[in-house]
Amino acid sequence: GDSVTQMEGPVTLSEEAFLTINCTYTATGYPSLFWYVQYPGEGLQLLLKATKADDKGSNKGFEATYRKETTSFHLEKGSVQVSDSAVYFCALSPLDYKLSFGAGTTVTVRA
Amino acid sequence: DVKVTQSSRYLVKRTGEKVFLECVQDMDHENMFWYRQDPGLGLRLIYFSYDVKMKEKGDIPEGYSVSREKKERFSLILESASTNQTSMYLCASSFRSQFNEKLFFGSGTQLSVL
Repeated sequence: GDSVTQMEGPVTLSEEAFLTINCTYTATGYPSLFWYVQYPGEGLQLLLKATKADDKGSNKGFEATYRKETTSFHLEKGSVQVSDSAVYFCALSPLDYKLSFGAGTTVTVRA
Repeated sequence: DVKVTQSSRYLVKRTGEKVFLECVQDMDHENMFWYRQDPGLGLRLIYFSYDVKMKEKGDIPEGYSVSREKKERFSLILESASTNQTSMYLCASSFRSQFNEKLFFGSGTQLSVL
């Protein structure tokens, strides 16, 4: 079935470092792709999305590009802050209705 | 702002008890979902509902049931709680036209079954 695989964490960075979280997907057809973020003690919230190949989603300094040729949707941020410490989930919405989430990557940013 | 409210943040129950987890949303969303979140496994869909009195099984429905008597409320029921149901439970909702696109999540209920 359709699924996503994201890099395992935890990831620990210093403030202003570059962040990349890898996400690859397996799908029949052309799903929409998402990144959700979960801050400590909160529910998940949508960070960004892309609905077709070569689309770039962006929000709060984060970016991800839908790469059909490599079946990837890697999340990047050029300069992280302590407030970016959270769990990040890659997700896929295939042609049926079930959203599939990756295992999550815990990111900790040190001052 | 959309609000999805889960009735309890932490819950401790005994094996064999019947457990109710309640979720209420205030944005007139048609779709509602229950997920469980476990370390290393991410979110797994238990049940969802796209209308009042409608329900569909997700990926791991065994040991659970749901109830949707009113549009704003979606309840998850553990008929006889077991220790392997210790987990974080997340409720979510969305508009029908945005099925599985933008989900709005509650803060979660951490359930411990002893």
